[in-house]
Amino acid sequence: GQQLNQSPQSMFIQEGEDVSMNCTSSSIFNTWLWYKQEPGEGPVLLIALYKAGELTSNGRLTAQFGITRKDSFLNISASIPSDVGIYFCAGFRGGNQGGKLIFGQGTELSVKP
Amino acid sequence: DAGITQSPRHKVTETGTPVTLRCHQTENHRYMYWYRQDPGHGLRLIHYSYGVKDTDKGEVSDGYSVSRSKTEDFLLTLESATSSQTSVYFCAISESITGQAGELFFGEGSRLTVL
Repeated sequence: GQQLNQSPQSMFIQEGEDVSMNCTSSSIFNTWLWYKQEPGEGPVLLIALYKAGELTSNGRLTAQFGITRKDSFLNISASIPSDVGIYFCAGFRGGNQGGKLIFGQGTELSVKP
Repeated sequence: DAGITQSPRHKVTETGTPVTLRCHQTENHRYMYWYRQDPGHGLRLIHYSYGVKDTDKGEVSDGYSVSRSKTEDFLLTLESATSSQTSVYFCAISESITGQAGELFFGEGSRLTVL
């Protein structure tokens, strides 16, 4: 089946540091998305990318849709304690019946004050 | 916040018993999904619905069935629960396949433990 390989699996960083995580796939996707999950909650959408090569920012977050349509990365600048959580990439390929969103395994981020 | 309610939020059951998880939405969104979340696997799609009475399988559908008799409700049933189905189950909804493609809104999850 389709798989997304997300790395790293976990990160332990100091407050103020920048963070980078990425996602690769053997399949092409039409849309790449990045979600964040906090403990005890469902994932929440951070950034959506719809076009190959697209670079989008949301505050301290920046994400890019790879040119090959098989990868994406997420950067977080100047991390703060509330950035703690699990970050998921997701790839979407539409279809006649709505399509499916496939998720990566997640990157667990810990930020030390 | 999107109006999505999952019930029950926590359940402990025994192997072989039937279990039904309910997802209720107040957003009138067309698409509804059931995912399971397990360490090391992220979120995996079990089943999804693209309209009332219209459902399709996801990547890990074995042992699960779904039903959608109304726009607002999507039920996930484990006919005979097994320990491998111990997981956190998330319902999600989305409005449209175009424009907002892939932008799901998730419920808070249902933690199921099968002993």
